[in-house]
Amino acid sequence: QKEVEQDPGPLSVPEGAIVSLNCTYSNSAFQYFMWYRQYSRKGPELLMYTYSSGNKEDGRFTAQVDKSSKYISLFIRDSQPSDSATYLCAMQSNTGNQFYFGTGTSLTVIP
Amino acid sequence: KAGVTQTPRYLIKTRGQQVTLSCSPISGHRSVSWYQQTPGQGLQFLFEYFSETQRNKGNFPGRFSGRQFSNSRSEMNVSTLELGDSALYLCASSLGYGGSTDTQYFGPGTRLTVL
Repeated sequence: QKEVEQDPGPLSVPEGAIVSLNCTYSNSAFQYFMWYRQYSRKGPELLMYTYSSGNKEDGRFTAQVDKSSKYISLFIRDSQPSDSATYLCAMQSNTGNQFYFGTGTSLTVIP
Repeated sequence: KAGVTQTPRYLIKTRGQQVTLSCSPISGHRSVSWYQQTPGQGLQFLFEYFSETQRNKGNFPGRFSGRQFSNSRSEMNVSTLELGDSALYLCASSLGYGGSTDTQYFGPGTRLTVL
């Protein structure tokens, strides 16, 4: 079993829709959770960073962590065509320094 | 603050050759990690260097090696290239101390094509 599981999609939504992206993980020691956005032919860029459980909001983006279910989500409100990209989740334990990534979900927002 | 830079951006090699990729981390970052990204496998961890020492290693054959210099710049070498080595190679830098202040920042990648 992989440390981090992420549905690869692809996901296609109309402009203005609410998008939900998810990852599950198996290591209960993971404490730090990240979402990266990767445009085609570019490196991933950090989008959201959360520590432990709870929600974090930044503009149209909300990151949610449920440690009891080992489940993290990224919500995108009022999705825009410019949100079309691959979204990768990543996590790190509080006892180590290695980062573990999901395989990424490809999102297309149709105008 | 300058971001992570990688050179070259594109590379075409033939089977059996070797290749060296370079990564310059963000100033002040001491950790450099290397990843291989392919459409089928996603982002796969190769190895991480911290203060010139390999600290973590993924499940890749010995043909993949790396090193880090005293200024934190890192190089990755792949010997005896195979067709399956064609991928986007990404470098990421971080402070390297773990904890809530440590996050990885990626470079633009080097796209390697093996013919």
